[in-house]
Amino acid sequence: DVKVTQSSRYLVKRTGEKVFLECVQDMDHENMFWYRQDPGLGLRLIYFSYDVKMKEKGDIPEGYSVSREKKERFSLILESASTNQTSMYLCASSRNRGTIYFGEGSWLTVV
Amino acid sequence: QKEVEQDPGPLSVPEGAIVSLNCTYSNSAFQYFMWYRQYSRKGPELLMYTYSSGNKEDGRFTAQVDKSSKYISLFIRDSQPSDSATYLCAMSGVNRDDKIIFGKGTRLHILP
Repeated sequence: DVKVTQSSRYLVKRTGEKVFLECVQDMDHENMFWYRQDPGLGLRLIYFSYDVKMKEKGDIPEGYSVSREKKERFSLILESASTNQTSMYLCASSRNRGTIYFGEGSWLTVV
Repeated sequence: QKEVEQDPGPLSVPEGAIVSLNCTYSNSAFQYFMWYRQYSRKGPELLMYTYSSGNKEDGRFTAQVDKSSKYISLFIRDSQPSDSATYLCAMSGVNRDDKIIFGKGTRLHILP
């Protein structure tokens, strides 16, 4: 079975804190993605990666960075969390076009 | 014009009815068409995946693609309360660099 695991389901962080969201996939997929999902705005792509140590900006990369040191792991980093980064964060992976698989999501609240 | 348009709903239907969910799109380069089901506070789950035109059936679910009209549909037969969720359509082109474009989702309620 396809498995994308996000280590933290619910987090509460203070403004200015550095936040790490971890994602691991067990399907040997080349491509990994980070999205955020907000009511009325849908899914928005933050960053993606097609290979180890490679990263590309998505539509809303400001305030975020990523790390991909191993093929199966893709981390999202909020350098200095702000209240407007309160959201649901979704990690996803794919091998080919069209078959993108999501994790369960990480609900982040910044206070 | 938005690349993908999807009615947000909510759509309420009685249990056992046939449900029709739809998306329209503007980019004729799209070749991959997907439907995702998302339960509250969960990640989207891939339901159906179609390449190019035609129909695909999986149990109670049928996905249709009409590329001439730039219109895709998901049909759910014998709908169940457990089908209550948000359904997102998604599509992309054939190149690796082609972004996957998601609809904003339709909220579906199946009434017992």
